[in-house]
Amino acid sequence: EIVMTQSPATLSVSPGERVTLSCRASQSVSSNLAWYQQKPGQAPRLLISGAFTRATGIPARFSGSGSGTEFTLTISSLQSEDFAVYYCQQYNNWPPGTFGQGTKVEIK
Amino acid sequence: EVQLLESGGGLIQPGGSLRLSCAASGFIFSSYGMSWFRQAPGKGLDWVSGISASDGATYYSDSVKGRFTISRDNSKNTLFLQMNSLRAEDTAVYYCGKDSPVVTIWGQGTLVTVSS
Repeated sequence: EIVMTQSPATLSVSPGERVTLSCRASQSVSSNLAWYQQKPGQAPRLLISGAFTRATGIPARFSGSGSGTEFTLTISSLQSEDFAVYYCQQYNNWPPGTFGQGTKVEIK
Repeated sequence: EVQLLESGGGLIQPGGSLRLSCAASGFIFSSYGMSWFRQAPGKGLDWVSGISASDGATYYSDSVKGRFTISRDNSKNTLFLQMNSLRAEDTAVYYCGKDSPVVTIWGQGTLVTVSS
């Protein structure tokens, strides 16, 4: 099973800052990588699939990059509604589509 | 509007059974693979099971294989998860998801608590 590792576990940032979240796979997953956002008490929401393709309705401030084993989610200018937990998921070896443990973006 | 609405969660004793449902609307249900996920309290996301649109093939995580059964009723636009021999470690919010393996729409979740 492919293990996904996200870093950091928690990120304290101020609104307007640029944020970079990392996701590493234990083996290559090509570009078969998705990012989800989850706010407290809510279901996850798809942000990005195929490592860099934004889902419908996702603002342009969210961007994904990477391939193979190293991936990044960047939020160019953090808005108040972006404080949440972010998960990466590989689906190159499916099933299962394994998730990272999440990165919490909190207000500094 | 595409919507998924889970139901059937609750408090159940260890060893018991529950059947979760996920009512779909706003899209052609029979054309999409569907999945179940779960999230234990304060923990991350785990894939539980999936079912294909084309041939109804089913897939399970090792942790639930042999105990859980996924199924779908395309005439009623509903996805099911039959959960047997429940354990304390199955306690979680269970989400259904549209599309597989990348979930484009998630339901709001239903809480399953396994406790005596």
